Amino acid sequence: AQKVTQAQTEISVVEKEDVTLDCVYETRDTTYYLFWYKQPPSGELVFLIRRNSFDEQNEISGRYSWNFQKSTSSFNFTITASQVVDSAVYFCALSDRGGGSEKLVFGKGMKLTVNP
Amino acid sequence: SAVISQKPSRDICQRGTSLTIQCQVDSQVTMMFWYRQQPGQSLTLIATANQGSEATYESGFVIDKFPISRPNLTFSTLTVSNMSPEDSSIYLCSVHDGSSYNSPLHFGNGTRLTVT
Repeated sequence: AQKVTQAQTEISVVEKEDVTLDCVYETRDTTYYLFWYKQPPSGELVFLIRRNSFDEQNEISGRYSWNFQKSTSSFNFTITASQVVDSAVYFCALSDRGGGSEKLVFGKGMKLTVNP
Repeated sequence: SAVISQKPSRDICQRGTSLTIQCQVDSQVTMMFWYRQQPGQSLTLIATANQGSEATYESGFVIDKFPISRPNLTFSTLTVSNMSPEDSSIYLCSVHDGSSYNSPLHFGNGTRLTVT
């Protein structure tokens, strides 16, 4: 069965610190997709990135970067020079097409608090 | 990306009553997904709603408790029936951004339900 583990439940940092959010996944699929979502205190879920299983290139988008390593089944997310606006719950997710459904399996989320 | 509107944004309901949540998308989509996020928890898929057919429910969720309608390609409703305090959650509607299952899921702002 598909599984996503976000071992950290809560992290608190001071503004301008770098922070890495860990994500480890389990799947028997050879083709799959990984996602990160952000849920700020207002509650909406904001899509951040999608990565497919054949693309292990790291990606950088501004202060955000993602490190995908199939060898360790990890898809970690780093925020560089964190800001207060980065405070949110971050979810890692894995696509699951088992049984004909097309759903995302989410990790439990990691609450990031960035203090001024 | 698709714009997803959910109504109501929040509600407080009494035990034993039912609440119908509406989800409107600004473009036609094949599948609409209903997720539940219990307090402090991750997201769990309730069901997938396809236009013109019965919804497909995930393990642990049944039609009698969560009936779903999908009258056209831009609209769906989820009813939470015979509510109990354990149903207090955020209920989120989502659609794929694009026609492919592996395109990102985008979410509505959610319906925050409190059952007293």
